[in-house]
Amino acid sequence: SYELTQPPSVSVSPGQTARITCSGDALPKKYTYWYQQKSGQAPVLVIYEDSKRPSGIPERISGSSSGTMVTLTISGAQVEDEADYYCYSTDSSGNHWVFGGGTKLTVL
Amino acid sequence: QVQLVESGGGVVQPGRSLRLSCAASGFSFSTYGMHWVRQAPGKGLEWVAVIWYDGSNEYYADSVKGRFTISRDNSKNTLYLQMNSLRVEDTAVYYCATLYSTFDWWGQGTLVTVSS
Repeated sequence: SYELTQPPSVSVSPGQTARITCSGDALPKKYTYWYQQKSGQAPVLVIYEDSKRPSGIPERISGSSSGTMVTLTISGAQVEDEADYYCYSTDSSGNHWVFGGGTKLTVL
Repeated sequence: QVQLVESGGGVVQPGRSLRLSCAASGFSFSTYGMHWVRQAPGKGLEWVAVIWYDGSNEYYADSVKGRFTISRDNSKNTLYLQMNSLRVEDTAVYYCATLYSTFDWWGQGTLVTVSS
């Protein structure tokens, strides 16, 4: 079955840039979405269609894509950005969705 | 406003069945595909199943295929997940969600615990 691979954890100091990667064979042809999930809460969409930002999401959060890897970048990370982040996409058929394993972002 | 409210969770023994429901309101339910997503305690998100807006197609994660069935009743604005032959590893919070580009809405989740 199709898989998306993320690093388990990323740690940065406040004000630094955090980069979270997600790799998958179908990513060159399929859009990726990114979710932020804070403890005890439902996930929140922060990036859609690889690099677009929903209204209300801070400009410091951005997405990019290159080949089989997509990257979520948080510029000037703040303590409030501490959360689990998940990439989400489909396999090449477009009929099976998958989440990456999740990356715990620590800002301290 | 958009609301998705799951119900039907609880404690069930391995091998038994359970049906989850998701009541939708605040949007045109019959025009959107719907998903179930689950999250085991302390673990990541796992996509479970999707059903087309008109119920014409369904797709499942390998981990539940053949045991779970997703369905919908557009006249009642309700999504269902029939879960059979439950296993301990199916223990999770189950969310219904739209997951359609920026039309991205999640319910609050319902906890299913499979334990003897």
